[in-house]
Amino acid sequence: ILNVEQSPQSLHVQEGDSTNFTCSFPSSNFYALHWYRWETAKSPEALFVMTLNGDEKKKGRISATLNTKEGYSYLYIKGSQPEDSATYLCAFTSGTYKYIFGTGTRLKVLA
Amino acid sequence: DSGVTQTPKHLITATGQRVTLRCSPRSGDLSVYWYQQSLDQGLQFLIQYYNGEERAKGNILERFSAQQFPDLHSELNLSSLELGDSALYFCASSVSPGGTGELFFGEGSRLTVL
Repeated sequence: ILNVEQSPQSLHVQEGDSTNFTCSFPSSNFYALHWYRWETAKSPEALFVMTLNGDEKKKGRISATLNTKEGYSYLYIKGSQPEDSATYLCAFTSGTYKYIFGTGTRLKVLA
Repeated sequence: DSGVTQTPKHLITATGQRVTLRCSPRSGDLSVYWYQQSLDQGLQFLIQYYNGEERAKGNILERFSAQQFPDLHSELNLSSLELGDSALYFCASSVSPGGTGELFFGEGSRLTVL
């Protein structure tokens, strides 16, 4: 059974704080690791897709790193803003067409 | 707007009944995925189709079935409904057959079984 775990489950930070979350996934049969952002009452939207060990992606204040050998990815948010409040999901694929999602990290940024 | 359309948005029905959820993928996307999100749980993968063919199956109950039609829209059929089937059902589409493509999600169909 493929297991994707995310930590922490939830996080409250103050506006302006930087924060990071972890996604752990199986290190064997790796194909790709995805990060999605899911705002309340909306549907998940893709942030990054990473395929190579050592990949780093950046979009504005959000960045992500990937370590396929040890099976983890970090998502960083620099200078959190209230509009960053959302659930951040990671999804692992192993070439079997399945996108296996973690349960997410729920971020609340307090103004 | 992701370009993925799901209908109906909300559905209330009784135990034992059967419902059909419909998904129209983004124009050009050949892959359709179905996910279930129950209360306090993550997105559970149900099934995936690519260009009309089933490609992968997840934890989909035998009471559930799906298909993808020649025009690429997909339907998820849920029968003999139980209270525990109440959930948000998402459809997502992707241009690629699997793995590296970005998933585009619809807004979901919220099913309530009473």
